[in-house]
Amino acid sequence: DTGVSQDPRHKITKRGQNVTFRCDPISEHNRLYWYRQTLGQGPEFLTYFQNEAQLEKSRLLSDRFSAERPKGSFSTLEIQRTEQGDSAMYLCASSSAAGTGELFFGEGSRLTVL
Amino acid sequence: EDKVVQSPLSLVVHEGDTVTLNCSYEVTNFRSLLWYKQEKKAPTFLFMLTSSGIEKKSGRLSSILDKKELFSILNITATQTGDSAIYLCARANQGGKLIFGQGTELSVKP
Repeated sequence: DTGVSQDPRHKITKRGQNVTFRCDPISEHNRLYWYRQTLGQGPEFLTYFQNEAQLEKSRLLSDRFSAERPKGSFSTLEIQRTEQGDSAMYLCASSSAAGTGELFFGEGSRLTVL
Repeated sequence: EDKVVQSPLSLVVHEGDTVTLNCSYEVTNFRSLLWYKQEKKAPTFLFMLTSSGIEKKSGRLSSILDKKELFSILNITATQTGDSAIYLCARANQGGKLIFGQGTELSVKP
């Protein structure tokens, strides 16, 4: 399977713990996006990378959130000191800058903070 | 942040019905308008629209964009239970970032 893969698919944690999600994009895609989705809402933009450069970060993203894409391939999204309001589906997507603009999404990582 | 507004938020129909889903957006830094279908997992791509008045079709689904009035519609004819899903509309800016609407939850009853 050469689609976008995310790991873990589900994470349950206690408030105050740190969590990290990983995303492996489609190999030839140089753009990588993180979105968050809660029940009844559309995906909400968090941040995106072109190669290893983080080009934009949502103002909604607090200092507890950090994302990296160190070699321009996979990316990690870390949430420190989790809060119950962080419970959501975290979606990763990738695209090619030279492509048609369509984003290809992974299956998501569902976070539950108790 | 520029908004994308979808209506209705939810819709229940019976198999064989035709449905029209609506999406309106704000114009700043517009590149394209995309439709996605989301079942229990990741959104899957349906259409991308960049030009006004040109209908895109895929089987029973079709979509069109009106750049003057800043909206798009997604039509599904002869609905089937497998069409039950959340339909997401998103506006892409020049950098490729997508801003999504809330989605329309479609339920097709047998």
